[in-house]
Amino acid sequence: GAVVSQHPSWVICKSGTSVKIECRSLDFQATTMFWYRQFPKQSLMLMATSNEGSKATYEQGVEKDKFLINHASLTLSTLTVTSAHPEDSSFYICSAPSGRGYNEQFFGPGTRLTVL
Amino acid sequence: QKEVEQDPGPLSVPEGAIVSLNCTYSNSAFQYFMWYRQYSRKGPELLMYTYSSGNKEDGRFTAQVDKSSKYISLFIRDSQPSDSATYLCAMLLKGRAQKLVFGQGTRLTINP
Repeated sequence: GAVVSQHPSWVICKSGTSVKIECRSLDFQATTMFWYRQFPKQSLMLMATSNEGSKATYEQGVEKDKFLINHASLTLSTLTVTSAHPEDSSFYICSAPSGRGYNEQFFGPGTRLTVL
Repeated sequence: QKEVEQDPGPLSVPEGAIVSLNCTYSNSAFQYFMWYRQYSRKGPELLMYTYSSGNKEDGRFTAQVDKSSKYISLFIRDSQPSDSATYLCAMLLKGRAQKLVFGQGTRLTINP
């Protein structure tokens, strides 16, 4: 199947700093990517839909000024957690649909963010 | 009521057993049904997807969809310890921004 990578896989930062997470589709182009967060023993919660060349669409309750999304190319989307606080600590995962349709989405390995 | 309901388990079975994982849903407009496997601290991995009622088989895995009952299942035959993971069902509405709707996930442990 298609490969989606994320970087970094694990990051620790101090409260008040900003952290950028990258999501790349390695062997296919993705005009749309999705960002999720996952708390321990819980399912994935969709945060936003990242669209290449346009603004991201955020889910209800997700602060767009806190979670900045940029989809600058057909293979790269970034999520920046601004002014991070301990409650932002979570597992962040991106996904991208393959060229065969949205029913065939491939997920990145995830980024574990810990805010001290 | 959640759109997709999935028993979180945990479910523990002996090696070699047949495992049955299930989800129910309330929205009859769901058209695609997926099963993902997620190992601890990893991203979900797509196992199978179907779009019609009936069975779809891939190796030891069989996905079953019953649209009349709004019920989907994933069967794992000859279960192995390496199958121990969380299994998530996901569904897709055609025409609704193409966003996956996930079940809560079932934690499965296969005991050697």
